[in-house]
Amino acid sequence: AQSVTQPDIHITVSEGASLELRCNYSYGATPYLFWYVQSPGQGLQLLLKYFSGDTLVQGIKGFEAEFKRSQSSFNLRKPSVHWSDAAEYFCAVGGRAQKLVFGQGTRLTINP
Amino acid sequence: KAGVTQTPRYLIKTRGQQVTLSCSPISGHRSVSWYQQTPGQGLQFLFEYFSETQRNKGNFPGRFSGRQFSNSRSEMNVSTLELGDSALYLCASIPTSGGGEGEQFFGPGTRLTVL
Repeated sequence: AQSVTQPDIHITVSEGASLELRCNYSYGATPYLFWYVQSPGQGLQLLLKYFSGDTLVQGIKGFEAEFKRSQSSFNLRKPSVHWSDAAEYFCAVGGRAQKLVFGQGTRLTINP
Repeated sequence: KAGVTQTPRYLIKTRGQQVTLSCSPISGHRSVSWYQQTPGQGLQFLFEYFSETQRNKGNFPGRFSGRQFSNSRSEMNVSTLELGDSALYLCASIPTSGGGEGEQFFGPGTRLTVL
């Protein structure tokens, strides 16, 4: 069965510090992997996606993620966070069936 | 290009009533998915439509149904509402040609409260 685990429910970092959000997945075939961000009361915005090819993918707002097949991981990183990055982040796995399976989300708080 | 539109944005119903939510996808997108988001269960897939046909269905009771029209707009219906149906319902618009397959663009959601 497909599943996504985001081990960290809540992370607090200082503004300007680096960030890494963890994501582990279970999927029977070659996965499509996504990171979405959700601000309070809003829908989901796609940060980046991995379908194939280069395992380090760049996204919007300075985010990047690295696909590691051997570890079944797709961690999200940002070298220096801004106060506006405070939000909830969701990792998702899917395939051509167009059904996304989401992790439980990681809430990011930024300290000034 | 306009984004995904969901109406209404907020809805309050009482137990036992039924509700219909609407989603207009991005122009040119022919596939629409629906998700339910609750604090306890997180984001869960409801169903997906392509060219007026339901292609995938999640693990929800038959009270949850949907349809898609020829212009790709989609509606979902929940009958005999229960308190546990209170959630944010998200619609996603999916490109089905020209690359981007698998990528889903989400609307702002409809916040349903069942009293």
